[in-house]
Parts: sequence; C-alpha cells; structure tokens
Amino acid sequence: EIVLTQSPATLSLSPGERATLSCRASQSISSHLAWYQQKPGQAPRLLIYETSNRATGIPARFSGSGSGTDFTLTISNLEPEDFAVYYCQHRANWPYTFGQGAKLEIK
Amino acid sequence: QVHLVESGGGVVQPGRSLRLSCAASGFSFSRYALHWVRQAPGKGLEWVAVMSYDGNNKYYTDSVKGRFTVSRDSSKNTVYLQMNSLRAEDTSVYYCARDMRENYYYYMDVWGKGTAVTVSS
Repeated sequence: EIVLTQSPATLSLSPGERATLSCRASQSISSHLAWYQQKPGQAPRLLIYETSNRATGIPARFSGSGSGTDFTLTISNLEPEDFAVYYCQHRANWPYTFGQGAKLEIK
Repeated sequence: QVHLVESGGGVVQPGRSLRLSCAASGFSFSRYALHWVRQAPGKGLEWVAVMSYDGNNKYYTDSVKGRFTVSRDSSKNTVYLQMNSLRAEDTSVYYCARDMRENYYYYMDVWGKGTAVTVSS
C-alpha cells in the first residue's frame, strides 16, 4: 500500500499568516491526491481534490500543488476557523490511504 | 439536501460481530460509490472499504480483509458494514462517505457524523 507522510506534524502560526503543509507519497501517485480538514468532534471536510481543485464552497485562500510524490497544501492569510487538523489522501490504487495528519494550531 | 446517517455502533466483546448501517438521502443512491472510513480515539483517519455504485465491486484495507464485508440495499438507500471477529484495534468512530463522482471512484465529498464502535471485554 502507498504510505503518505505529512509534515510538519504540528504547525504553529498566527491569523493572517501563510500555512504550508506537505504530503509525500511512498511512490508516484500522479495527481491523485486530496486534502481534508477536520475539526474536533466533526467529520472531515473535503478541501482540495486531484491535487489542485477546490471543492465546492472552499475559499480561494486554500490551494494545492504538486505531482508524483510531493504535494503541498497552502493556506494564505489564515483565518481563525482554519486552525484544525489536515489530512492528505490518495486514490491512485487500492487501498486508499490517508496521511497521519498535520495539526495547524494558533501561535 | 445530501445526507448520510450512520447507525449500529456500540460496545461489543472481542471476537463478536456488529453491523453498521449508513442511510443515504438527497441523491441518486445507485449512482455513487460509498466508502467507510474510521478513526480510532485520538488518532488519524483510516480508509476501510468501498462498495461500487452498482454493488458489483468492493475493496478493503488489508487489516479488515476477511473480517469485514460491505454491502448495499438500493431499495432502502442504505449501505452496510458487517464486522466480524472484532478486535480491540477496531475501536473507532466509523464514518460513511459518498464518492464525489457518479459511477466512479474518486474522493469523498459528503460524510456522515459517524457511529462509535468500542471493542472491549
């Protein structure tokens, strides 16, 4: 199975700053990667699919990039509601897998 | 309004069985694949299984193969996760999630609130 490794595990930033989260795949997954946001006690929410496409209703401050094995989620001008845990997930083959998660916390 | 509601969770002894249900509404049930994703307490997300839109194909993560079975009943707009030979490490919140594309396998865009399963003696 494909292993997704996210870094950093925790990122401490202030509102208004820019967040950069990384996801590395153990083998090439082309552009078959999504990002999800999860807040405590809630189900995950799809943010970005197929590397760089924003899901319905997702603000433009969220963007994704990458290909092959290295991917990035960028959140520009952080809002208070953006502090949460973020997961990457691939769909390159079965089984789908998620990264271990990255916590974005308020500094 | 697209909606998924999981049920059937609870406390069960190791080695026993449990069946989870996911009732869908607000979309054409027979056109979408449905996934199960779980999350152990304080841990990350783990994709568990998927059933194709037509019920003909199922895929599982290795740790549940041979123990878990996914099925669907289109007359009830419901997908099931039959969990047998449960282990302590199966303790999680189980989410049902809809695939975002019709007749395809893609990403998960609609999620239920989850149902909690605790495996303990």
